[in-house]
Amino acid sequence: EPEVTQTPSHQVTQMGQEVILHCVPISNHLYFYWYRQILGQKVEFLVSFYNNEISEKSEIFDDQFSVERPDGSNFTLKIRSTKLEDSAMYFCASSRVTAQETQYFGPGTRLLVL
Amino acid sequence: GESVGLHLPTLSVQEGDNSIINCAYSNSASDYFIWYKQESGKGPQFIIDIRSNMDKRQGQRVTVLLNKTVKHLSLQIAATQPGDSAVYFCAENDGGFKTIFGAGTRLFVKA
Repeated sequence: EPEVTQTPSHQVTQMGQEVILHCVPISNHLYFYWYRQILGQKVEFLVSFYNNEISEKSEIFDDQFSVERPDGSNFTLKIRSTKLEDSAMYFCASSRVTAQETQYFGPGTRLLVL
Repeated sequence: GESVGLHLPTLSVQEGDNSIINCAYSNSASDYFIWYKQESGKGPQFIIDIRSNMDKRQGQRVTVLLNKTVKHLSLQIAATQPGDSAVYFCAENDGGFKTIFGAGTRLFVKA
């Protein structure tokens, strides 16, 4: 069964450094998403992406964040200058045709900012 | 586990019993609702969804009930098994591209 994959599984970085989180969505899916989950808290929407542009973003997704689909398979989340409070699990998800259907989540990247 | 909260509402049931997990949603414009299951250290896994033109939908061992009048959603799991132990999140979407997750409920199944 096709699945969303994410790399790396864990990332440790120093405050102020840039990180790029990688995702490979399911191949015939058109909608892509990033979510984060701070330890012990709920899953929070960051951004949705369709047709090579951001379709919606949350207030969390400020100028420090950016997303890109550099080729036909990868979908990346970049945090330009990490802060301690960016430490969280970051989940990528994809859905086939709309946002109002099953979203398939990847296993997540645990980001720790020191 | 990494994804399980320390202060989540918790439901503890005996194996074989039925479980009911409740969720109150906030946006009266939401018209698509989803239940996700999250096991320790994993990403959310889709369980079942329901659209606002329905008030009940059944899957395999799971049923979702929607009461739009009071903005309430519930997930019923029949014959709960140890493998059902996880954190369960409801989520809502109002037709846009943003899906909002609720706070989550931790389900413990006692063997």
